[in-house]
Amino acid sequence: DQQVKQNSPSLSVQEGRISILNCDYTNSMFDYFLWYKKYPAEGPTFLISISSIKDKNEDGRFTVFLNKSAKHLSLHIVPSQPGDSAVYFCAASRAGSYQLTFGKGTKLSVIP
Amino acid sequence: EAGVTQSPTHLIKTRGQQATLRCSPISGHTSVYWYQQALGLGLQFLLWYDEGEERNRGNFPPRFSGRQFPNYSSELNVNALELEDSALYLCASSLAVSFRELFFGEGSRLTVL
Repeated sequence: DQQVKQNSPSLSVQEGRISILNCDYTNSMFDYFLWYKKYPAEGPTFLISISSIKDKNEDGRFTVFLNKSAKHLSLHIVPSQPGDSAVYFCAASRAGSYQLTFGKGTKLSVIP
Repeated sequence: EAGVTQSPTHLIKTRGQQATLRCSPISGHTSVYWYQQALGLGLQFLLWYDEGEERNRGNFPPRFSGRQFPNYSSELNVNALELEDSALYLCASSLAVSFRELFFGEGSRLTVL
């Protein structure tokens, strides 16, 4: 039972355009959501997070939107840069739990 | 400040053998997590250690075990290796007070032949 789903295995975007990565979850107990970026041969690195009490969090070129009623979150990267090419993992946790549940990841390719 | 370090980087074993992977958390971090990333899958939670105790484990058989030492470093042991244990094993650490943001090491690639 996959509680965090990233339905797009891959995404290609032109440099300078917006990249939108999507994530759906099924567990209504999740109250904190994170995005991680992973380059080949490296561990995932934390990118941005959002608490369920918010619907938007912004950090530079990265913005995460949360739609609790739809159990959906998205990561917007604008403008996209070639260095953003990586696998992006969506993760979620619930209050009182000390582990993250990850999606399978979306491979983003930013084309120069 | 040094990040999470894992060793070995690569490990090749044969079926039935045992594998031991090691992890040193970021200085000051008391919680250590182990995740498995098999081909085509996301990160699957394996184990969580905090203050030397196993706090939780994921849906993995008892062949997967580990421990956390007094200096908060950790060891993951996989006994009776099977071919499907071939994966990238990632260790992460966190501060107890900000547990929701995990800091990952670069992983140990285990290949079972």
